[in-house]
Amino acid sequence: AQTVTQSQPEMSVQEAETVTLSCTYDTSESNYYLFWYKQPPSRQMILVIRQEAYKQQNATENRFSVNFQKAAKSFSLKISDSQLGDTAMYFCAFMKPSGNTPLVFGKGTRLSVIA
Amino acid sequence: NAGVTQTPKFRILKIGQSMTLQCTQDMNHNYMYWYRQDPGMGLKLIYYSVGAGITDKGEVPNGYNVSRSTTEDFPLRLELAAPSQTSVYFCASSLRRTTFSYEQYFGPGTRLTVT
Repeated sequence: AQTVTQSQPEMSVQEAETVTLSCTYDTSESNYYLFWYKQPPSRQMILVIRQEAYKQQNATENRFSVNFQKAAKSFSLKISDSQLGDTAMYFCAFMKPSGNTPLVFGKGTRLSVIA
Repeated sequence: NAGVTQTPKFRILKIGQSMTLQCTQDMNHNYMYWYRQDPGMGLKLIYYSVGAGITDKGEVPNGYNVSRSTTEDFPLRLELAAPSQTSVYFCASSLRRTTFSYEQYFGPGTRLTVT
């Protein structure tokens, strides 16, 4: 079974600074997907970024980028130029590409952006 | 498109009462999911469905039932509410094919309190 571990329960960052959230996972699969979801105080789950394991290039979405290290089974999220609206819980998630296995979530990291 | 909608947004139940949480998606997604999120935790899968008429248990199915009579709807039924079912419930949907899967889209959640 796949597991996802987020070792940082809480983090804080100054506005306009850069912060990196860690995520490690355990799987015997060679192909899979990894996601970062953001959950602001409104509770809505919002997809931030996704990475296909077969792609060597790290995914980027505006101020959000990942550092995907397949051999180390590591998938960290970097947020550049942090904004107050980035304050949220961030969840790392794993999914196999086919079959009936759904998303496996980590326990989340609570990020606070401080003015 | 409305995406994934859930009703109600909030509900308070007494122990032993029953209720149905409604979930509808208008994206023609074949997969649908129910998760629960306990305070300070990640999401845990309750049930999921790979298409109309097909459902399967997730990680924490006890105390719940589901049905999937149409592609759009995936209601979650609590038969005898217990305090341990106090949680936030999220419905999600995704499009999955044999060789490719897309990310899950989440509804806004239902906050349920059982007293």
